[in-house]
This record gives sequence, C-alpha cells and structure tokens, in this order.
Amino acid sequence: QSALTQPRSVSGSPGQSVTISCTGTSSDVGGYNYVSWYQHHPGKAPKLMIYDVNKRPSGVPDRFSGSKSGNTASLTISGLQAEDEADYYCCSYAGSYTYVFGTGTKVTVL
Amino acid sequence: QVQLVQSGAEVKKPGASVKVSCKASGYTFTSYYMHWVRQAPGQGLEWMGIINPSGGSTNYAQKFQGRVTMTRDTSTSTVYMELSSLRSEDTAVYYCARDPPSPNYYGSGSNKFDPWGQGTLVTVSS
Repeated sequence: QSALTQPRSVSGSPGQSVTISCTGTSSDVGGYNYVSWYQHHPGKAPKLMIYDVNKRPSGVPDRFSGSKSGNTASLTISGLQAEDEADYYCCSYAGSYTYVFGTGTKVTVL
Repeated sequence: QVQLVQSGAEVKKPGASVKVSCKASGYTFTSYYMHWVRQAPGQGLEWMGIINPSGGSTNYAQKFQGRVTMTRDTSTSTVYMELSSLRSEDTAVYYCARDPPSPNYYGSGSNKFDPWGQGTLVTVSS
C-alpha cells in the first residue's frame, strides 16, 4: 500500500486560506468516504481535525474544512492563524481492514 | 476523560523485540478499536495495524506481517504492540489511537483516530 500523496509544504500569511491536497487511488480515497485529517505539532500527539471527508469533531474551529473529488481529498484552512503552523496528514480507509496515511504537509504561517 | 497512556521509551539492539503498552481509561475499552501508528525520524505517519479489543481480532499492514503482534488485556484495559526482529529502521515514535467501529464496514474502524496516546520512542541501536 503506497502512501497518499501530499505537497511537501504550503504557506500563507495570517488571515489567508491554504489548501492541502491528498491524492490516492480508487482503492482508497476514491473508493470510500472515510478520509480523515490530522494536525501534528512536533513532540505532541496528532490531533483529529476532519473525519468522514468533511466532518469536524467538536472543538475544532470551523476554519478547517474538508472535501473530496474523485481520488483527491483536500483540507482547507481559512483565516490562517499562527497556531495552525504544524504538519498535516490525511488518512484513508483502503479496504480489507487497512488504512493508509498521506506523506504529510508542513504548513507555514508567514 | 478519555485517555490513552503509553509505556516509556525503550532502547533495543538489532534483532531484539520490543513490547509497547497503551492503557485506556475513561470509556468502555471493548467498544472501540485501537490502531498503532509510527513515525520514524524525519518521516511521516505510518499505519501498522488494528486490534478489536472485544474479541482480540487483528489486522496488520502488509509491511509488518510476520513481525508485529497486537494483543489486549481486557482486565486492565490495555493493548500491546510487539515488534520483533528489530532493525535500525524501526527507530520511531509509536502511537496508539482509538477508533469507533464503522457503521458501514463490519469489522473495521471508522478512520476517526481520536484520541492518541502520547507516543513511545523506540530506539534500535547496537
């Protein structure tokens, strides 16, 4: 199972929007509506930001949104804030009780 | 509150085995699946496998088949991940993460990893 493809890095100024793509195949991202996104600050545990493609857990700001088209899922952060600077990973169900993570994207707030 | 507390850092020699624990509290242990995920230095997150604490059934990523064993102890609400034949590339932080059962795919989680344990650093070095 190959890792899902994410851009290595994205950046934006405070208040701007950034979008992170997550490209897989019809066997994972394209085949199921089980895509989640995680925020990971170095040295801390990852945090669930989006699940089921576009649902936010309670406590996650509505600045974070998710979507999917075909084999590509996306995470958009609107109104970028300094505390959003972190690594972000997508994750998809890949069938047969297996899961696959994306390669990870470093978000930098300029 | 829901909490996953993992065992402490380990240093192992190549060829040895390591067993990492993850103790759950604040919820019904047998009602949620548990995943193990690792992150090697400078690398991304990597899914290793899943265990159903209720019946003990497991499924492992192909990469780790034959080297990883996930078990649970319902009396202490603890899951374990044992990795054998360690090599330097297994140096990583290992995480456990809870996941509710999928309403759509019997026997699978929902891909909703929350919360995560604090992580356990395993260093493999001669």
